[in-house]
Amino acid sequence: DIQLTQSPSTLSASVGDRVTITCRANQDISPWLAWYQQSPGRAPKLLIYKTSTLGIAVPSRFSGSGSGTEFTLTINSLQPDDFAIYYCQQYSNYRPWTFGQGTKVEIK
Amino acid sequence: EVQLMESGGDLVHPGGSLRLSCTAVGFTFDDYGMHWVRLVPGKGLEWVAGLTRDSRSIDYADFVKGRFTISRDSAKNSLYLQMNNLTPDDTALYYCAKAGTEYANFLMDFFDSWGQGTPVTVSS
Repeated sequence: DIQLTQSPSTLSASVGDRVTITCRANQDISPWLAWYQQSPGRAPKLLIYKTSTLGIAVPSRFSGSGSGTEFTLTINSLQPDDFAIYYCQQYSNYRPWTFGQGTKVEIK
Repeated sequence: EVQLMESGGDLVHPGGSLRLSCTAVGFTFDDYGMHWVRLVPGKGLEWVAGLTRDSRSIDYADFVKGRFTISRDSAKNSLYLQMNNLTPDDTALYYCAKAGTEYANFLMDFFDSWGQGTPVTVSS
């Protein structure tokens, strides 16, 4: 199975900060990587797919980049609604389709 | 607006069975693959099973093969997950998720809409 390792596991930040989350895969999965946001008690929400394509109605402060085995999610100017858990997911030819362990973005 | 509504989760003893359902509205159900993903306490998200829009391709995570069966009913715009021989490790919140690519005949895909989830607890 493809293993996805997210770092950090927890990130403390303030409103207005720029934050970056990294997702590393143990094989080349480019460009088949997605990012999701999950707020407490809510369904996961698609943010980004195919490494850098924004999902429908996702604010432009979210961006994704990367290639090969290393990918990043960047949130510019963190907003109160952005304090949540973020997951990466690979959907390459390497089944099963796996998720990272999650990164919790909390208020500093 | 796309809405996915799961039901059927419950408390069940080890070895027991459950059938989860997911009703879809707001999109052409027949045009998209569908999946089940679970949120395991302390572990995160795990893909469980998926099938293409025509059910010609079906796949399962290794940990559920032979125990779970995914299916869909176009007439009812519904997705199902029959779960047999449940173990405590299957305890999770089970989500129904819509594949992101229209008309795809493959399973490798991201998930652009999710339901709220239905809880399954396996305990004696």
